[in-house]
Amino acid sequence: QVQLVESGGGVVQPGRSLRISCAASRFSFSKYAMHWVRQAPGRGLEWVAVISYDGSNKYYADSVKGRFTISRDNSKNTLYLEMNSLRPEDTAVYHCARDPVTTRVLAWYFDLWGRGTLVTVSS
Amino acid sequence: SYELTQPPSVSVSPGQTARITCSGDALPNQYAYWYQQKSGQAPILVIYKDSERPSGIPERFSGSSSGTIVTLTISGVQAEDEADYFCQSADSSGSPVFGGGTKLTVL
Repeated sequence: QVQLVESGGGVVQPGRSLRISCAASRFSFSKYAMHWVRQAPGRGLEWVAVISYDGSNKYYADSVKGRFTISRDNSKNTLYLEMNSLRPEDTAVYHCARDPVTTRVLAWYFDLWGRGTLVTVSS
Repeated sequence: SYELTQPPSVSVSPGQTARITCSGDALPNQYAYWYQQKSGQAPILVIYKDSERPSGIPERFSGSSSGTIVTLTISGVQAEDEADYFCQSADSSGSPVFGGGTKLTVL
């Protein structure tokens, strides 16, 4: 069925880097903008970043700007999040999520989510 | 920073109506969205643009808006509706913002 599956999470030391991935299946991935949303233990959801359908536009939350990079490979139906200079407060389950419209204008909400991958930043 | 406020928990008996509120100063000017998340599962969109229901979502789920408060209503609650519910809107820059979530318990 239509789904998003995240991978690549794990335990990483503060200041180090990690790249997580999101594999899309059974929909036209290249037509949709894609987001990353994180959920810290005991806290709510926090939007992290978005990339347009063709990768030409990217936007970030202030909390990760300059440290995280969102990218995509439409030939592989895969979304990525490169996380550098990781901090303990980046510890969270990271979900990828689909923006519902297939136009250049983002809808800024999420009609399909993955289960997430846990990133733990700890020494 | 902009905040959306939800009650931490709501409890109802099966067959009753559950109402989950979300308050925020910008809600009169921004759409609200609602997500259901069961333990260990991916969130699911249950209401978009204040009151629209995606295909596949049961009719017992509805949304409404009044001033700075939006409400998710679940009529005839079933045991399977037990989950966390999150509201979402946007801040002044258009970036998504979420409420803290409400745990719905079906007694």
